[in-house]
Amino acid sequence: EDQVTQSPEALRLQEGESSSLNCSYTVSGLRGLFWYRQDPGKGPEFLFTLYSAGEEKEKERLKATLTKKESFLHITAPKPEDSATYLCAVQDEGSWGKLQFGAGTQVVVTP
Amino acid sequence: GAGVSQSPSNKVTEKGKDVELRCDPISGHTALYWYRQSLGQGLEFLIYFQGNSAPDKSGLPSDRFSAERTGGSVSTLTIQRTQQEDSAVYLCASSLRGGANTGELFFGEGSRLTVL
Repeated sequence: EDQVTQSPEALRLQEGESSSLNCSYTVSGLRGLFWYRQDPGKGPEFLFTLYSAGEEKEKERLKATLTKKESFLHITAPKPEDSATYLCAVQDEGSWGKLQFGAGTQVVVTP
Repeated sequence: GAGVSQSPSNKVTEKGKDVELRCDPISGHTALYWYRQSLGQGLEFLIYFQGNSAPDKSGLPSDRFSAERTGGSVSTLTIQRTQQEDSAVYLCASSLRGGANTGELFFGEGSRLTVL
């Protein structure tokens, strides 16, 4: 069965203190790996899709990378507005529409 | 509207009652999804619609849960004889395409269900 594990569960950063979030996954074949951001009381907001090992995507202070077993979301010089829960999800090659989500990493950035 | 719209935003019900949750997807999006998020947990897949049909409803927890989509647009998730463990936020999402290449999902803000 597909599994998605995110670590750490929570992360507290000082403004400007760069760090990385991890998403490890087990699937029979990867169709895509997705990163979402979720603010309290809101639905998740799409950030990135990665399809193959070695692929990287960037958006402002965020950079996502992918290997055959895990993905990293790097947050460079974070600001308080980067505080959110970051969710990782995978689509298995046998899946038609279903995404398997991890439990998320809650990030708090303090001034 | 510009985004995915869900109603009600909050629903408190008594154990044993039936509830209906509504989702209005982004116009033109052929794929529609229902997920459930319990407190402090990740999203749990419930069902996926392509047009009006549901190729994957493997995530529905029991036969008390059902969903339909009409006109390739609005969807309703119905929970019969609600139980306390049904308490959660029910999230709807839509995407331009589905199937093999799901792409970006656009989520609504969710319907928070509390079963007393």
